[in-house]
Amino acid sequence: NAGVTQTPKFRVLKTGQSMTLLCAQDMNHEYMYWYRQDPGMGLRLIHYSVGEGTTAKGEVPDGYNVSRLKKQNFLLGLESAAPSQTSVYFCAALERGAGDTQYFGPGTRLTVL
Amino acid sequence: EDQVTQSPEALRLQEGESSSLNCSYTVSGLRGLFWYRQDPGKGPEFLFTLYSAGEEKEKERLKATLTKKESFLHITAPKPEDSATYLCAVQASGTYKYIFGTGTRLKVLA
Repeated sequence: NAGVTQTPKFRVLKTGQSMTLLCAQDMNHEYMYWYRQDPGMGLRLIHYSVGEGTTAKGEVPDGYNVSRLKKQNFLLGLESAAPSQTSVYFCAALERGAGDTQYFGPGTRLTVL
Repeated sequence: EDQVTQSPEALRLQEGESSSLNCSYTVSGLRGLFWYRQDPGKGPEFLFTLYSAGEEKEKERLKATLTKKESFLHITAPKPEDSATYLCAVQASGTYKYIFGTGTRLKVLA
């Protein structure tokens, strides 16, 4: 089992460009999350989903959109990238129940010039 | 406002020198408190979940404890391979959101 995978691993964008980050899980978990991690800021929740076809805003949703068309995939979109969106992005899938364990992907390092 | 504060920001230990990391939290009804380990360039890896004050969990050299205001991650006789950033997170009752602290960077010297 691969667990949680993220595509791409690295990306450089110019201001104003758009892109989509893909998160895929092979664990059949209902809940999925997108976080960004910045130095000194910790992990901050962008958007999350409690099941196929559902999405909700987290702590820092502005400038991002998400979609959960299939249970195993959670997409994060940047419509018009800004330098403030330079960050490392992590996706997680949550195993609800004993332990409420979040399984994280390896991350996507995004630089916006 | 729900908040998580971790201390110290960084900690250097000699191999075998036991210590504790602190996670203080304020939350409107705690559903769970979580500890994760993160190695450089990788995603966080789950360690423990604590649900109620007085609960304790252990795994190898690590032991997590929980009170109504804070959690401690005790590291007994650490080894260099325990070097990592340790993250604490809370989930408030009735929500699906997780609030993370900024982490403690631990370096264990041989």
